[in-house]
Amino acid sequence: DTAVSQTPKYLVTQMGNDKSIKCEQNLGHDTMYWYKQDSKKFLKIMFSYNNKELIINETVPNRFSPKSPDKAHLNLHINSLELGDSAVYFCASSQVPGPSTGELFFGEGSRLTVL
Amino acid sequence: AQSVTQPDIHITVSEGASLELRCNYSYGATPYLFWYVQSPGQGLQLLLKYFSGDTLVQGIKGFEAEFKRSQSSFNLRKPSVHWSDAAEYFCAVGASFGNEKLTFGTGTRLTIIP
Repeated sequence: DTAVSQTPKYLVTQMGNDKSIKCEQNLGHDTMYWYKQDSKKFLKIMFSYNNKELIINETVPNRFSPKSPDKAHLNLHINSLELGDSAVYFCASSQVPGPSTGELFFGEGSRLTVL
Repeated sequence: AQSVTQPDIHITVSEGASLELRCNYSYGATPYLFWYVQSPGQGLQLLLKYFSGDTLVQGIKGFEAEFKRSQSSFNLRKPSVHWSDAAEYFCAVGASFGNEKLTFGTGTRLTIIP
């Protein structure tokens, strides 16, 4: 049983399209995250939600809109896709907010390619 | 703001040899430090973490890391690597309070040769 699952795993689309990535965790965690990993493997946080409330919102274009319908789900919708959005997007969860409790559990990633 | 530097982009070691991956951090107070491993096509998995106490921490898969405050370092070590250790390794630092985000280094790719 996958702890943090993301769909789709691969996404290829044209510039200007709108796409969504879904994430679900079955760990009972309160906090979920979206990270972006670029082609150089640099991993940067985008958003964090705690119990459906946004707690971290990094400098991300407002074309990116996260939505958390409940604490087990955190979806990422991207409008008007640009070439620079091509990356691997990782969903993660943790028991409570902040790194002080330790472990983030990551999904396997969703590789987005914008043509 | 905190930051992490992993000076080695790519390291190649022979199977059975010892390994040390370097990590330096910048943070104004006592940091929380982590090492994560990413196997090809996978998400990141926590290897070990340091919060306080003993500066030598043990992790999974036979890895250990040592926190050296004077050098602002948290290097990862393994006495004898296995082919299955080939992966990308990320050091990360977090603030010791609140909801501060985890900041990752740029990673070190480890290649194992027979």
